[in-house]
Parts: sequence; C-alpha cells; structure tokens
Amino acid sequence: SQQGEEDPQALSIQEGENATMNCSYKTSINNLQWYRQNSGRGLVHLILIRSNEREKHSGRLRVTLDTSKKSSSLLITASRAADTASYFCATDGRAGTALIFGKGTTLSVSS
Amino acid sequence: DSGVTQTPKHLITATGQRVTLRCSPRSGDLSVYWYQQSLDQGLQFLIQYYNGEERAKGNILERFSAQQFPDLHSELNLSSLELGDSALYFCASSVGGQGFNVLTFGAGSRLTVL
Repeated sequence: SQQGEEDPQALSIQEGENATMNCSYKTSINNLQWYRQNSGRGLVHLILIRSNEREKHSGRLRVTLDTSKKSSSLLITASRAADTASYFCATDGRAGTALIFGKGTTLSVSS
Repeated sequence: DSGVTQTPKHLITATGQRVTLRCSPRSGDLSVYWYQQSLDQGLQFLIQYYNGEERAKGNILERFSAQQFPDLHSELNLSSLELGDSALYFCASSVGGQGFNVLTFGAGSRLTVL
C-alpha cells in the first residue's frame, strides 16, 4: 500500500519557472526523502528531511515538512529542461520499515 | 553508475516460466531491497535483506522469493509467471538496515511476460 501520495500527478512548466510538488503521508515518520527518476531509469536520491526539521535546502531544491499535516513539498527553482523527470516522495514508518514510495509527480520542463 | 549492479537488464519470457534477477549492492552496503514498478501500481516494496537475513517484507507474492548470499549479492526468483508480473524490478542498497537509510538504486531489470 502507498504511504505517500504526490500531488499533482503531472506538471508542465516552462524553463525558468519554479515547480512545486506536494506529498501527503499517513503515519508518523522518522524522515521523508525525495527521489528523482528519469524515464525508465533507476531512482536517484535528492534530499532527506528529518521529522524534527521544517525546511531544508540543496542547490535549487527546497523541501518543507509539516508533520502536523503529514505533508511535504518539494520546490525546484529556476527549472531547466534537464529537470524533466518523475519525482517521488518516500517515507519510513516509525517501526523503521523499508521506504515506501508514492506514485510520483511527472514534471515536464519545456524550453 | 550508481554502484548497484542488476542483471539482466531486459528479460522476455512466457507465462508459467521462472526467472531469476540478480543484484550486487554498492560496495560497503549491507542491506538490499527489491522493488517492483508497474504503471498501475507504482513502486511497490517487495522485500529487504540485511547482512544475509530477511529484515522486512512488503507486497511480495508467494510465487516470488529472494535471498541474500554471504557475499551480499541478492537474487529475486519469480516463478509461475503471469502477464501481470511484467514490470521493472529495481534493486536498491543501503549501508544500514533501517527504513530511514538513503537508498542507492540500480538501473533495473525490465521483465516482459508474454
């Protein structure tokens, strides 16, 4: 069963615009992670935010976490065509079970 | 190259057959995870091994089995294959065995069942 649900399912923007993806989850977590997948390839880890953190930055990425609402957002600033990919949030349960992934947001950035 | 090696990359077989997917984790990683990705089900966690022992089980069918060997490579066995088993199968590895670890994914094995 899915722990995280990303929203929107698909997002199309122009180069230079910002892209925001949201993730909602159901149970308490130790941390939340975001991964990226280029078409048909393996997932690549982008960023991890712990349950006691509210915001984290990595280059053009900004992740927020609201544990009271059980939600997270991933912001990609100044998007590039190379950012075209699917983005997944993943959460663990408090019991430390394996990462459970959402169905992802497909981002398309056109030049 | 992520350091996680999966073979074969592509596999085409018939219903009822059995296949074995192989994964070598990144050097130094003790934990191996198997995930199945299909269009309708998304990325589903199947099973995790840590240093040779089963650590967590997800939505793995009884027709599927896995193991991790002393050299830490892992194999996922899929038997009595059905059309619906067609999917991308990913192996991932991590240093530790806890769910909050960062995963390094392989490139995947694409299975087509005809």
